[in-house]
Amino acid sequence: DAKTTQPPSMDCAEGRAANLPCNHSTISGNEYVYWYRQIHSQGPQYIIHGLKNNETNEMASLIITEDRKSSTLILPHATLRDTAVYYCIVSLMNTDKLIFGTGTRLQVFP
Amino acid sequence: DGGITQSPKYLFRKEGQNVTLSCEQNLNHDAMYWYRQDPGQGLRLIYYSQIVNDFQKGDIAEGYSVSREKKESFPLTVTSAQKNPTAFYLCASSIGEMAGANVLTFGAGSRLTVL
Repeated sequence: DAKTTQPPSMDCAEGRAANLPCNHSTISGNEYVYWYRQIHSQGPQYIIHGLKNNETNEMASLIITEDRKSSTLILPHATLRDTAVYYCIVSLMNTDKLIFGTGTRLQVFP
Repeated sequence: DGGITQSPKYLFRKEGQNVTLSCEQNLNHDAMYWYRQDPGQGLRLIYYSQIVNDFQKGDIAEGYSVSREKKESFPLTVTSAQKNPTAFYLCASSIGEMAGANVLTFGAGSRLTVL
């Protein structure tokens, strides 16, 4: 599986958009980009995933560059409850396992 | 509501004792997983099971054992052979089919402390 690179930490003001970047320069054509988040001392929560096209759901938007070497998770209006560690994972659709790195710790401040 | 239940939430044990962590799901998911998380680290896969009566080792299976006798249950035993068992243990499940294979639902976790 391809590896990802994320900044270790980011800050965001409440009500503003949080843009979390992820680099995956060695991604292969059939690998998807998945995003999960983990609020302190809880289990991770699935957010969104995509292959080529941009995706949006009730939680977030996922923007994938045309060359697929990087992506951005967008939380359009961050709240204090969005403070968490966000994991970007690249994986085949039918893989047996997901590999979680250390992620980005997002701190939303008032 | 459907979900995954892990128990106990907190567990203290003496060194050398085996410990079994429970994981039950009512999501009718085929696949189940056990991950370990150490402070400030990502998740590492211990064992996973795609169907009943079958399971595979993950990246750090040494010192752990599992069983999958029922679809809804995937208990993890931390044996005395595990050298550093103190950690946060997370159980997860997924549909297992291609479309949803990597959309995991996690439990709330079990925090094991070995004294």
